[in-house]
Parts: sequence; C-alpha cells; structure tokens
Amino acid sequence: DAGVTQSPTHLIKTRGQHVTLRCSPISGHKSVSWYQQVLGQGPQFIFQYYEKEERGRGNFPDRFSARQFPNYSSELNVNALLLGDSALYLCASSLVVGADYEQYFGPGTRLTVT
Amino acid sequence: GQSLEQPSEVTAVEGAIVQINCTYQTSGFYGLSWYQQHDGGAPTFLSYNGLDGLEETGRFSSFLSRSDSYGYLLLQELQMKDSASYFCAVRDQGYGQNFVFGPGTRLSVLP
Repeated sequence: DAGVTQSPTHLIKTRGQHVTLRCSPISGHKSVSWYQQVLGQGPQFIFQYYEKEERGRGNFPDRFSARQFPNYSSELNVNALLLGDSALYLCASSLVVGADYEQYFGPGTRLTVT
Repeated sequence: GQSLEQPSEVTAVEGAIVQINCTYQTSGFYGLSWYQQHDGGAPTFLSYNGLDGLEETGRFSSFLSRSDSYGYLLLQELQMKDSASYFCAVRDQGYGQNFVFGPGTRLSVLP
C-alpha cells in the first residue's frame, strides 16, 4: 500500500503570495493532520480533519486554513505568506480519531518564502 | 500553557543502551507517543504509552509515569542507523485533538 503522499515536494514563494499544499492519506485512513516543522524543532500542530470536519486547530493565524475532501485527501492553504512561514509542512494520517496517537507522516513539502 | 522537555543531544556507541527522557506539562493528557526522524525524512511512529508502565517493541521500550509527568524511550543494542532525532508527543486536552511535540533529542551513535 502507498504511504501518505504530499505535493509538491519543494516550493519557493514570495512574501505576500498564497500557497496550497496537498496531501493524500493512506488508503482507509480518515483522519488527516497538518504540522509545521522549522529546522531543528519539533513539528507544530496546525489542523486535524476527520470525516471532512475540523477536529483540532493549533495556535496559528487565520492566514492558515485547510479542508478535507470526500476521498479524505486534504489541502492546506496559507495566505499572505511571511518569511517566517518557511518550513517543512508535514501531513499525517491515522485510521480513526481515537487511534491517532499512531500517525503516519508523509515526506513533507519544503516551503521557502523569499 | 503546555510544554515538553527533552535533552537536546545524546551520544552513545554501537551496542550500548541509551535512555531519552521527556517531561511534560499540559492542561490535559491522553498518552505519550514517540517518533523517530532521520535527517531529511518524515517522523515515524515508534511507541505509545496510554497507561503507566513499560511498553516493549523489539529493541525499543517506552515508559510512562503519569504521576511524575515523565516518560522515557529506551533504545537497546544501538546501531548506526539509530542515529536520528527522537520526539516525544502528547495530546493536549484543548479544542479538538491538539498534539504537542517536544523539541527533539538528536541521538548520535558512534562506531
């Protein structure tokens, strides 16, 4: 079975632009979470979606938004990019919400904002 | 507030045993997970403790003491491939299901 996939792998944007990152969970997984990881730090929780509904939101500004589609894939959108948004964005899926202590991470999207 | 603390770096030699500690301070607690991340790679799940005690999975074991807000990951028979960053993570009892990751411990295994 394919693991969690994310696209694109790398992305370079300019301050003020908008970006959309995509994630496809493992087949059968209904929960998708998004994390931001700055180099040398642990992942920071942004959102969790389950059955197309937002189930959790981290301490990120409203410039960050996400959604989950009927096929359980997900998009993370970031508006008005800042230099500080440069990071590795990780998507993780889990089977159901109750078992999400075990999350499966995708390879991430490396976002560079210039 | 919520915070997790881990040592920033640990160094050990092949074949040795190493323990990585994690202390946490969160408004709620739904268990402690451990993840491994190699440079340039994605975090991979290692272990989970929902209740006090020791969980063993091959060369890796994890321990939790909820009364002490403390856990550790024990790696035995260290191999070079174990060189990576290790993160503890807890679910905070906030809105939804927020996961809080620790800052990570970089383990270097020397020959």
